[in-house]
Amino acid sequence: AQSVTQLDSHVSVSEGTPVLLRCNYSSSYSPSLFWYVQHPNKGLQLLLKYTSAATLVKGINGFEAEFKKSETSFHLTKPSAHMSDAAEYFCVVSDYPPNSGNTPLVFGKGTRLSVIA
Amino acid sequence: DTAVSQTPKYLVTQMGNDKSIKCEQNLGHDTMYWYKQDSKKFLKIMFSYNNKELIINETVPNRFSPKSPDKAHLNLHINSLELGDSAVYFCASSQETSGIFYNEQFFGPGTRLTVL
Repeated sequence: AQSVTQLDSHVSVSEGTPVLLRCNYSSSYSPSLFWYVQHPNKGLQLLLKYTSAATLVKGINGFEAEFKKSETSFHLTKPSAHMSDAAEYFCVVSDYPPNSGNTPLVFGKGTRLSVIA
Repeated sequence: DTAVSQTPKYLVTQMGNDKSIKCEQNLGHDTMYWYKQDSKKFLKIMFSYNNKELIINETVPNRFSPKSPDKAHLNLHINSLELGDSAVYFCASSQETSGIFYNEQFFGPGTRLTVL
């Protein structure tokens, strides 16, 4: 069964400095991987997704993530944090067994990003 | 225009009551979902409907019953509410093909349910 581990429950960065949110996954077949963001009291919004195309995926708001199969990682990065990036971030995996549809999305426990002025 | 809407936004009720949460999407999607987010922000899928047919039914108490009157609506009815049902419930939708879930899911704003 697929699973996802977000290694940090809380990350705090200064405005203008790089952001790194770490995610490791496990899957038995060919995973699809996503990052979603949740701002306070809001629903979730897709930042980016990997579905077996280019391993470096660019998303909205300057975020990107790199799929590394050898490390089973899909870390989220951004070169320069903005105050508006403060939110909860979820790494998500869906697996794709052969002769079957994808499995439902499995969410990590989330990483809260704080941005200090 | 709101893509995925839920009502009510907040719901406070007593234990033992029966309540419903409504969800509507105007995106023309064929698949809708209900998720539960607990107090630690952990999100877990509860149900998924594709073209009004139930395709995912995770291990949730049978007090929870989804109802899909048409492709644009997926309502969640909860009987005999318990303290542990307190959570934020999110509805989502996506356009999928043959049960493949890799397309973007659009989430509603959530319904915060508090059971006293």
